[in-house]
Amino acid sequence: DTGVSQDPRHKITKRGQNVTFRCDPISEHNRLYWYRQTLGQGPEFLTYFQNEAQLEKSRLLSDRFSAERPKGSFSTLEIQRTEQGDSAMYLCASSPRKQGEMDTQYFGPGTRLTVL
Amino acid sequence: RKEVEQDPGPFNVPEGATVAFNCTYSNSASQSFFWYRQDCRKEPKLLMSVYSSGNEDGRFTAQLNRASQYISLLIRDSKLSDSATYLCVVNEGTAGNKLTFGGGTRVLVKP
Repeated sequence: DTGVSQDPRHKITKRGQNVTFRCDPISEHNRLYWYRQTLGQGPEFLTYFQNEAQLEKSRLLSDRFSAERPKGSFSTLEIQRTEQGDSAMYLCASSPRKQGEMDTQYFGPGTRLTVL
Repeated sequence: RKEVEQDPGPFNVPEGATVAFNCTYSNSASQSFFWYRQDCRKEPKLLMSVYSSGNEDGRFTAQLNRASQYISLLIRDSKLSDSATYLCVVNEGTAGNKLTFGGGTRVLVKP
């Protein structure tokens, strides 16, 4: 499967714990995005990378959230001191280099986080 | 006001019928537009891009009205498998090409 992959698919944690999610984009896609989706809502942008550089962060991304893409390939999203309000689906997307296709984003299956 | 607004539905559609719904966007500088489909507890999947001249892909037709800032999707000859949430998506043309999603319109096709 050459699509975007995310791991884990599900995570249940207790309030106050730290969690880390991983995203592997489609090979050679230089842009990688993180979104969050809560029940009944559309996905909301969190942050994006072009290669290894994190170029934009939403105000939704509090200080407890940090994302990295150290080698410009896979990315990790860490949430520290989780709160019940962090419960959501965390979606990763990537987009290709090709001119004209640059803004077509392909989504991974998501990581569903439940904070108890 | 939300940046991208959609009627949440649900639109209950008899199999074989036609259904159409719109979304409105607030940023007149928005550059590109899409419809994504999302099945329950799955990731969004690109259904089609929306071009200024309108475009068709099989039973699906998308239209863009820049003057009134709305996008429409029409589904002809609805199939049971068309039951899903349809997300209206706008790229506002920022450097990062981030997407802004509407809340989705739920469509239920019934036999």
